[in-house]
This record gives sequence, structure tokens and C-alpha cells, in this order.
Amino acid sequence: GQQVMQIPQYQHVQEGEDFTTYCNSSTTLSNIQWYKQRPGGHPVFLIQLVKSGEVKKQKRLTFQFGEAKKNSSLHITATQTTDVGTYFCLLGSSASKIIFGSGTRLSIRP
Amino acid sequence: EAGVAQSPRYKIIEKRQSVAFWCNPISGHATLYWYQQILGQGPKLLIQFQNNGVVDDSQLPKDRFSAERLKGVDSTLKIQPAKLEDSAVYLCASSQDRGPGYGYTFGSGTRLTVV
Repeated sequence: GQQVMQIPQYQHVQEGEDFTTYCNSSTTLSNIQWYKQRPGGHPVFLIQLVKSGEVKKQKRLTFQFGEAKKNSSLHITATQTTDVGTYFCLLGSSASKIIFGSGTRLSIRP
Repeated sequence: EAGVAQSPRYKIIEKRQSVAFWCNPISGHATLYWYQQILGQGPKLLIQFQNNGVVDDSQLPKDRFSAERLKGVDSTLKIQPAKLEDSAVYLCASSQDRGPGYGYTFGSGTRLTVV
């Protein structure tokens, strides 16, 4: 069945540094979504990627979908304390279940 | 637009007791999901409804968990009897479409503690 790996599990950065989380699938995806979950909160939808090689930006956040549609990344430029939380990918495949990655927990030193 | 409503927010029960959670999705959202999120892990899908029909319940422990979505609107998730390992946050989400074509909107969740 489909497997997903999200790395790193944790990242602790100095405020102002960049942050990247990666999501890798064992199978080709139809799309991928990214969510942010603040401590004690619920997941909030950030974006969906559908096309091979797609790149989307939201202010300081850059999302990429791999050419083979098996991996994706979320990059935050110049982190701020408001970026603290856990970032999850959600894999969508026509052949397999819809599953969440294990998440990357971002903490920031002011 | 009102969000996904869930109740209760918190519940503490003893093992072997039963508990029920309620969810009211965003109006017009045909698809409703129940997820279990154990502390430090990603959400795990328990059951997915399309209107009032079940699309996927392969990860629902059917010996103790049950869910229904009567009339294709709100939904209840029940655990009977509860085990210690059921302690988790139970999240309800809804979307306009069956698959991940649209982002999911999550409710605030119900934090269950089984003692």
C-alpha cells in the first residue's frame, strides 16, 4: 500500500532562519495538500498542489510538487514566531487511501 | 461561513465506558471525515462519508467504534467500550468533494481521556 515519509520530525530554528519540510510518497500522487496545526489547535488547510513540477507561493511560504508527483516540499523564508506549529502533508491518490504524513514540528527561538 | 462544529470539547471517561461525539459540517459539504489524532502523530482517518453513505471505514475498529451520518448532514461517532489507547483528539472534517480535490475544514476536535 501507499506509504508516506515526512521529514524532519522536528526542527528548531532561530527566528529569521529558513525552514523546509519534505514529504515523500511511495506511489505517484494525484495531488498533495499542506496543513498547519498550531499547538493545541486543529489542522488548517494551506494549499493544494496538482500539477507536476508546480510551485506556489503564499507570502513567505513556497510549496513545490515534484516532477514525478511523488514528493513535495514546504519552505518558509525568514521564519517568524507565528510560524510555530506542526506542518502536515496530505497525500491524495486515485488508487490509494488519503493519508496524512507524520508531520514536522517547527519551534522557533526568538 | 460557519465552521465545522464539534461537541463536546473535552471528555474524560473510565475504561469500558461508552462515549459519543457529535459533528455538524459546513453547510453544503457532502463529504465528512472522522479522524483520530494521538498526541505527537498525524491524524488517522477512521471513517469517510459521502452524504449519508460510507466511502471508507477500513481503519475503523468496528468491534468498538461506530459512526453514522443520518440525513447526510451531522454525524456521531461512538466508542463502546472505551480502552485506554483510545485517548486522543477526535477531529471531524468536511469538504465539498469526495476526494482531496478540495481542502478539508476541520472542527476544533474533542479531546478524549480514558482513565
